[in-house]
Amino acid sequence: AQSVAQPEDQVNVAEGNPLTVKCTYSVSGNPYLFWYVQYPNRGLQFLLKYITGDNLVKGSYGFEAEFNKSQTSFHLKKPSALVSDSALYFCAVRAPYTGGGNKLTFGTGTQLKVEL
Amino acid sequence: DAGVIQSPRHEVTEMGQEVTLRCKPISGHNSLFWYRQTMMRGLELLIYFNNNVPIDDSGMPEDRFSAKMPNASFSTLKIQPSEPRDSAVYFCASSSPTSADTQYFGPGTRLTVL
Repeated sequence: AQSVAQPEDQVNVAEGNPLTVKCTYSVSGNPYLFWYVQYPNRGLQFLLKYITGDNLVKGSYGFEAEFNKSQTSFHLKKPSALVSDSALYFCAVRAPYTGGGNKLTFGTGTQLKVEL
Repeated sequence: DAGVIQSPRHEVTEMGQEVTLRCKPISGHNSLFWYRQTMMRGLELLIYFNNNVPIDDSGMPEDRFSAKMPNASFSTLKIQPSEPRDSAVYFCASSSPTSADTQYFGPGTRLTVL
């Protein structure tokens, strides 16, 4: 079974400071990993994904994430936070394609609040 | 592409009534997912389809919920009879193996059952 943990319900950061939203996963084999963002009253928007290759993945809006296999982590980062980054962030994992199910397992979400 | 389309965007109904939510996936996507989101339970996968065939419906709360996908461009989620505890935002998402199964979400349907 695959699972994702987002250990922080909320992260607060000052505008201009770097931000990190944590995610750890559990899956058999090499994972596919995703980050999504949800703004109020909106659907989830895809930010970035790791499939294979370079452990540092760059995505939309200046976000990036680093895949760390030994620590089974995929933390989301941004060098300089903006107030407009305030939103709910979800990490998701998918096991390698086996010809069967292809669902994503989502974490519980981390609310990011960026303050002036 | 227009993205995933859901209708209606808002639905208010009374307990006991039938509710039908609709979804049009992104053209060319062969997987479709129905989710429910509430403050208490977070984001829950209800059911998903591959090539119009239901693969996993273990998340469907009970027999009052049913979902169909009669063709590649349309799916429905029906609740009959509806109850106040069904109040939630229901999302539809679609994906394709050509994009490593990245799911793209619709805007959601906010359901309120009085």
